[in-house]
Amino acid sequence: QKEVEQNSGPLSVPEGAIASLNCTYSDRGSQSFFWYRQYSGKSPELIMFIYSNGDKEDGRFTAQLNKASQYVSLLIRDSQPSDSATYLCAFSNQAGTALIFGKGTTLSVSS
Amino acid sequence: DAGVIQSPRHEVTEMGQEVTLRCKPISGHDYLFWYRQTMMRGLELLIYFNNNVPIDDSGMPEDRFSAKMPNASFSTLKIQPSEPRDSAVYFCASSGTGGSGANVLTFGAGSRLTVL
Repeated sequence: QKEVEQNSGPLSVPEGAIASLNCTYSDRGSQSFFWYRQYSGKSPELIMFIYSNGDKEDGRFTAQLNKASQYVSLLIRDSQPSDSATYLCAFSNQAGTALIFGKGTTLSVSS
Repeated sequence: DAGVIQSPRHEVTEMGQEVTLRCKPISGHDYLFWYRQTMMRGLELLIYFNNNVPIDDSGMPEDRFSAKMPNASFSTLKIQPSEPRDSAVYFCASSGTGGSGANVLTFGAGSRLTVL
């Protein structure tokens, strides 16, 4: 059974701090990894994806991938109250055609 | 592009009734996915299509669930008969084949189903 494990939270950080979200996955054959953000009552929206070991940066967001440890993380620098949402980690199936999602981590950024 | 369009946005029905959820994917996308989201189980993949052909329906919970994609611009997810435990938000998503093997999904707004 392919699984994605995330700490459900809530993770609480003050405004301006770095938020660190973590995710582990079970399928060693996975090639691509995704972070989606979901505001309450809304649909998931893509933040970024990563498929190579190491770091990938996009604005205030940095995704980190370690395939040997089957671990992916998302760092949010200078956290803002508008970042308060549930963050979903996902990995692709071996065909690279479908995504398997974790249950998400709820982030709360206080002003 | 209007994005992925789902209907209805909200559906309240009684146990035993048939429910049909509809989805129009983004034009040009050749993959279409149906997901179900609940607090307990998170976002679960039910079934997905490639070029209108079902590829993997192993996530469909029971024979009460069925999905079709008669053409590239329309898909349905049907539950017959519905049960209270089917209450969830059902998302449709579509994607094209991304670069480097990364398939980026775009989600619709979801259909919130309540079965009484």
